[in-house]
Amino acid sequence: DAGITQSPRYKITETGRQVTLMCHQTWSHSYMFWYRQDLGHGLRLIYYSAAADITDKGEVPDGYVVSRSKTENFPLTLESATRSQTSVYFCASRAGQIQETQYFGPGTRLLVL
Amino acid sequence: GQQLNQSPQSMFIQEGEDVSMNCTSSSIFNTWLWYKQDPGEGPVLLIALYKAGELTSNGRLTAQFGITRKDSFLNISASIPSDVGIYFCAGPLLGANSKLTFGKGITLSVRP
Repeated sequence: DAGITQSPRYKITETGRQVTLMCHQTWSHSYMFWYRQDLGHGLRLIYYSAAADITDKGEVPDGYVVSRSKTENFPLTLESATRSQTSVYFCASRAGQIQETQYFGPGTRLLVL
Repeated sequence: GQQLNQSPQSMFIQEGEDVSMNCTSSSIFNTWLWYKQDPGEGPVLLIALYKAGELTSNGRLTAQFGITRKDSFLNISASIPSDVGIYFCAGPLLGANSKLTFGKGITLSVRP
């Protein structure tokens, strides 16, 4: 019944630290996505994955790294956090192409000091 | 690149009123999606449109796929307080059917 979950829900870190945001889905969806949401910019795609071990860049990939060793998990890592990466991060998943519904997680609110 | 334009950024209406919002682009889209984001949560799909001219309803919500394929409209009738939130339009990027691009969203406030 869990669907798509993200952890942590809230995170405070310092500039230069490595941070990993977790995303887990229980549907075995092929596609998974990471977005960031900032005031005035809406939702912007960071990275996405079409299947395990297949990832590709979105609109704003710089400063982020992803991996997908298992279908159900899609972690997002900020290798050296910067203040400009303060944002709300949403993970999403979808079974197949656009005709399928894309489901979003509840978000992770990240503050970089 | 392809952009989806939503304006105004915020709308304020009285409970019981109808409200209409639109989404435009200079590019053609073959699919239009409308999402709603409640405060503190992730976006949820409201309506999906796949054919030019298509009119689809979901309760008090009605959305239309514009004939030119460059716009879409969402109407909410008889608004209630729980309609508060951010409404996004979205569509697949040209040549990259697996990825969605989103408008910046319209924040709707409903006065009781």
